[in-house]
Amino acid sequence: EVQLVESGGGLIQPGGSLRLSCAASGFTVSSNYMSWVRQAPGKGLECVSVIYSGGYTYYADSVRGRFTISRDNSKNTLYLQMNSLRAEDTSVYYCARASSTSSGMDVWGQGTTVTVSS
Amino acid sequence: SYELTQPLSVSVALGQTARITCGGNNIGSKDVHWYQQKPGQAPVLVIYRDNNRPSGIPERLSGSNSGNTATLTISRAQAGDEADYYCQVWDSSTGVFGGGTKLTVL
Repeated sequence: EVQLVESGGGLIQPGGSLRLSCAASGFTVSSNYMSWVRQAPGKGLECVSVIYSGGYTYYADSVRGRFTISRDNSKNTLYLQMNSLRAEDTSVYYCARASSTSSGMDVWGQGTTVTVSS
Repeated sequence: SYELTQPLSVSVALGQTARITCGGNNIGSKDVHWYQQKPGQAPVLVIYRDNNRPSGIPERLSGSNSGNTATLTISRAQAGDEADYYCQVWDSSTGVFGGGTKLTVL
């Protein structure tokens, strides 16, 4: 079964760090475009980071310099290292797969909640 | 940066046809994807590459894309179609989402 399972969310103080994980099954992470998409409470979807099959990475302006996307091919897992967290980073974070830019994001995880608050 | 504009809300009577638009500069030259999101759930891809349905998505959902507007059409609307809908394109190495449209089935 093709599946993504996120973990690592939680309550963190401003300025703190968290690492989100997204374990994939049924397909190979490194052969796809993998994205982290977040959704603040009551708001829409925002793509914050993408790692392409060739290793190229993209970051939204709002997180560039603070977040790092990576993957572990041996574990078939995607990561998002989040540093210097701010209140405005509070969101549900989803990982999602796209086999190409023409295919859409066809597999999503269930989401993990990050709350940044003192 | 590229922007996509969606109406905040659309209402449709049960059994009628709903149309949700997604506006963007020359969006007709891009592949548009549509997602359905119900409360407390992850988004689900319902249309990809303008007018293609993933397996399991009913034929009642269809898409079109031309000029500066893409449209998601939901025919014979059902109570289960009530959800938020997002359009998305890829631009400048990232996925760009519209602001989302809340579909209400009356």
